Amino acid sequence: EPEVTQTPSHQVTQMGQEVILRCVPISNHLYFYWYRQILGQKVEFLVSFYNNEISEKSEIFDDQFSVERPDGSNFTLKIRSTKLEDSAMYFCASSDDRGSYEQYFGPGTRLTVT
Amino acid sequence: GENVEQHPSTLSVQEGDSAVIKCTYSDSASNYFPWYKQELGKRPQLIIDIRSNVGEKKDQRIAVTLNKTAKHFSLHITETQPEDSAVYFCAATYTGGFKTIFGAGTRLFVKA
Repeated sequence: EPEVTQTPSHQVTQMGQEVILRCVPISNHLYFYWYRQILGQKVEFLVSFYNNEISEKSEIFDDQFSVERPDGSNFTLKIRSTKLEDSAMYFCASSDDRGSYEQYFGPGTRLTVT
Repeated sequence: GENVEQHPSTLSVQEGDSAVIKCTYSDSASNYFPWYKQELGKRPQLIIDIRSNVGEKKDQRIAVTLNKTAKHFSLHITETQPEDSAVYFCAATYTGGFKTIFGAGTRLFVKA
């Protein structure tokens, strides 16, 4: 069964550094999402992406965040200048456009900002 | 802004008993309501979902009900088993842009 994949599984970075989290959505999916989950807390929506543009974004997704689909398979989340409070698990998800709204989640990237 | 309230935060049941988790959403435009199970250190996994034009849906031991007027939806798990122990999240989505708001989660313990 096809799965969403994410790399790296764990990223450690220093405060103020830029990080790029990478995702490979399921190949025939057209909707892509990023979520974050601070340890022990709820899943928080960051952004949805369709047809090469952002569909919706949350208040968390400020100017420090950006998303890109650089080619036909990857979907990336960039954080320009990381803060301690950006430490969280980041999940990518994807869904198709054929009437099923189910979002398939990747395994996550644990980001630790020191 | 949009909000999803979820109760209870913790639920402990005896194996074989039923478990009920309740959620309330604020955005009347929400039209898709998934439920996720998340085990420790793992990704959220969809266990059941319901659309706004349906009042109830069942899949084996799991059922979900939706009251659009009251903006309430609930998850019912019958004949609980120890492997049902996990954190359960409700969510509300407006499929116009697929912004999905999650509840705070319910930690379910099923005692053998």
